[in-house]
Amino acid sequence: AQSVTQLGSHVSVSEGALVLLRCNYSSSVPPYLFWYVQYPNQGLQLLLKYTSAATLVKGINGFEAEFKKSETSFHLTKPSAHMSDAAEYFCAVTRDTGRRALTFGSGTRLQVQP
Amino acid sequence: KAGVTQTPRYLIKTRGQQVTLSCSPISGHRSVSWYQQTPGQGLQFLFEYFSETQRNKGNFPGRFSGRQFSNSRSEMNVSTLELGDSALYLCASSLEQGETDTQYFGPGTRLTVL
Repeated sequence: AQSVTQLGSHVSVSEGALVLLRCNYSSSVPPYLFWYVQYPNQGLQLLLKYTSAATLVKGINGFEAEFKKSETSFHLTKPSAHMSDAAEYFCAVTRDTGRRALTFGSGTRLQVQP
Repeated sequence: KAGVTQTPRYLIKTRGQQVTLSCSPISGHRSVSWYQQTPGQGLQFLFEYFSETQRNKGNFPGRFSGRQFSNSRSEMNVSTLELGDSALYLCASSLEQGETDTQYFGPGTRLTVL
């Protein structure tokens, strides 16, 4: 069965610093991978998705992620954090259990310090 | 285009009661999925509907059910509520264009069971 593991339930960075949120996947077939962001009292918003077209995926708000099959990773990065990036981030995978049945990681809460 | 709407946004029920939550997808979207989000279990897939038929189902008891109408609007029902059903219920809609369709999430319905 497919799954994703997000390392670090809380990450704190200074404004302007690099953001790195880690996600490792486990899947018996090439996965489709997603990063979503959730702001307080809101639903989930898609940041980016990997669908095997390109290993480096660029998303909204300056975020990007690189699919590394050898490391079974799909880490999310942003060169320079902004206060508005403070939110909870979820990595998700789909493929085995149904085309739209997303399996989510446990989430990483990002704090941005001024 | 209007986003995914969910009603009501907040709901308080007591144990043993039943509840119905509603979701209106983005215009033109025919697939609707439901997820439960709790602090302990995180985000979990409940079920997916397409063309009024349940196409995928997660690992939830039969007390959780849903349906989809001809206009793609969907409802989910939880019978005999338990305290553990307190959660944020998220609905997501997507176009039927392939396995990597983006799921667009609504703001959720916050259910509190007393």
